[in-house]
Amino acid sequence: NAGVTQTPKFQVLKTGQSMTLQCAQDMNHNSMYWYRQDPGMGLRLIYYSASEGTTDKGEVPNGYNVSRLNKREFSLRLESAAPSQTSVYFCASQELGNTEAFFGQGTRLTVV
Amino acid sequence: QKEVEQNSGPLSVPEGAIASLNCTYSDRGSQSFFWYRQYSGKSPELIMFIYSNGDKEDGRFTAQLNKASQYVSLLIRDSQPSDSATYLCAVNPARDYKLSFGAGTTVTVRA
Repeated sequence: NAGVTQTPKFQVLKTGQSMTLQCAQDMNHNSMYWYRQDPGMGLRLIYYSASEGTTDKGEVPNGYNVSRLNKREFSLRLESAAPSQTSVYFCASQELGNTEAFFGQGTRLTVV
Repeated sequence: QKEVEQNSGPLSVPEGAIASLNCTYSDRGSQSFFWYRQYSGKSPELIMFIYSNGDKEDGRFTAQLNKASQYVSLLIRDSQPSDSATYLCAVNPARDYKLSFGAGTTVTVRA
């Protein structure tokens, strides 16, 4: 049972390049999340999806787009990467609002 | 106002002491409260959850919830060097299905 799988684990982009971070969960969870983590800032919510077919903005959505491809997969896209998007990105999934959220291993993204 | 706020830390405690971590939240209707532990370079992992007012104990960890004061805390008794980590408070607000985190408190247990 893999849980939540994120790819890639590391990525270096040049300013202006685009990329998609992939996330898949095999726990049949309804809710999925994308967070970024910067030093001293905790986990800041970028976008979330309460169920298949729905997505909503979180605290820091600017510069990002998401797709809930199906119940398993939730991708995060950077259309034109900026140095301010250098961060560690975590995907998470949760069955309902009152249960444990499980995290992927994280993606360390550097934009130069 | 941030949805979830934690005491800023860092917190340094001697081995065997009690570490006390605090968290406040803004949505009065919030129902679910979680404490996650994150070791450096790793993903967060759940250590405690609490839904009802009062105390909940699990081994050396005790979570306390006071919904009237919109306050949740975590006590770590008999702190060990292996407890050195960042502790993240998380809340599911009542109005929508999202999970919001505080900034975290870094705890260092001195041997």
